[in-house]
Amino acid sequence: QVQLQQSGPGLVKPSQTLSLTCAISGDSVSSNSAAWNWIRQSPSRGLEWLGRTYYRSKWYNDYAVSLKSRVTINPDTSKNQFSLQLDSVTPEDTAVYYCTREGRWFDCWGQGTLVTVSS
Amino acid sequence: QAVLTQPSSLSASPGASASLTCTLRSGINVDTYSIYWYQQKPGSPPQYLLRYKSDSDRWQGSGVPSRFSGSKDASANAGILLISGLQSEDEADYYCLIWHGNTAVFGGGTKLTVL
Repeated sequence: QVQLQQSGPGLVKPSQTLSLTCAISGDSVSSNSAAWNWIRQSPSRGLEWLGRTYYRSKWYNDYAVSLKSRVTINPDTSKNQFSLQLDSVTPEDTAVYYCTREGRWFDCWGQGTLVTVSS
Repeated sequence: QAVLTQPSSLSASPGASASLTCTLRSGINVDTYSIYWYQQKPGSPPQYLLRYKSDSDRWQGSGVPSRFSGSKDASANAGILLISGLQSEDEADYYCLIWHGNTAVFGGGTKLTVL
């Protein structure tokens, strides 16, 4: 059974970088049949897909167009996890952040992390 | 104009049917896309319900009752989630999603109230 465990700070100051990690158990970040995504949710923006990383003989990334200049998703094969970095955050980035596994759909979700951007 | 538009709320009675729509922006043809549907209850992440592209290309989530089904209305350029025999436990937020190129796009969600 696949499980995703998120970690990272719940409070980030404006203009700083938001960093979250998602540890995978029951699967591999290097799987050739899965992709590893970050999604966030806020009352004002609803559910918003941020991007993904996946391995198909080499590593690929896809990012939401609206965030492409600020977001980075990286795999860490040594720890079987993947991470999210969102640069230059503003209060608009306050949201619950989820990591998810994408098989044929988003079939496994992390527990969610509420990240508040505030000074 | 948003890529996917869902009505913000819908109410229906127990035992009745509810039809939740997901309208694609003009210029994006619903026939081309698989529509994914997710259910979210308070305090939990969304859970996959089903994917619908056509009657011959659809996939129900494991354990999802058959009273949840998908379809399309080509004339309205919309995907539809039909829930029949509504139960109180179906009260939740419902989100549609498409993959538009290599990016995922969610609809704004419909809050379904069963009363």
